Amino acid sequence: KQEVTQIPAALSVPEGENLVLNCSFTDSAIYNLQWFRQDPGKGLTSLLLIQSSQREQTSGRLNASLDKSSGRSTLYIAASQPGDSATYLCAPRRGSQGNLIFGKGTKLSVKP
Amino acid sequence: SQTIHQWPATLVQPVGSPLSLECTVEGTSNPNLYWYRQAAGRGLQLLFYSVGIGQISSEVPQNLSASRPQDRQFILSSKKLLLSDSGFYLCAWSVGTGWDQPQHFGDGTRLSIL
Repeated sequence: KQEVTQIPAALSVPEGENLVLNCSFTDSAIYNLQWFRQDPGKGLTSLLLIQSSQREQTSGRLNASLDKSSGRSTLYIAASQPGDSATYLCAPRRGSQGNLIFGKGTKLSVKP
Repeated sequence: SQTIHQWPATLVQPVGSPLSLECTVEGTSNPNLYWYRQAAGRGLQLLFYSVGIGQISSEVPQNLSASRPQDRQFILSSKKLLLSDSGFYLCAWSVGTGWDQPQHFGDGTRLSIL
């Protein structure tokens, strides 16, 4: 059974800092991995999708890496802004027809 | 562009009452559709997914059921709600042609059982 752990559970940083959010998963036989952000009381917004054959994906100030063999993914946020404050969720997909397994997320607060 | 709609946004129901949550997707055909639940202090849990009309797969045994009467409509139901059914329910879709496509979520329904 796939288990997903996100560390830290919560993070508070001053504006402008570069930061790294960590995600680990127990079953390395994943098809791909998706990163989301969730604002309080809202649905999920897809940020990045990394296929199992890829090492990283970039979108603007966000960069996600994947080390499938070690069961790890990281989300790097450059030059953080108060608008980045949200909960960030990682979700590996198990197998080619499987579905997303979610971690509990990292709650990020960026102080102005 | 594709959009996903969920309603209602919030719902307060007494124990034992029925439930019907609706999700519709626009701008795409034959999507894969998903229902997730996010309970307090827990991660999102997949409840049901569907790859086509009338095709429903259940991930966990529970008091809920799902139906897909039309290509872009996904309904979550219960005949009698339990207190444990409280939570934040999210519908999602992905392109149906490949499992390498990202999932996109609606804004969710917050369900409180009294």
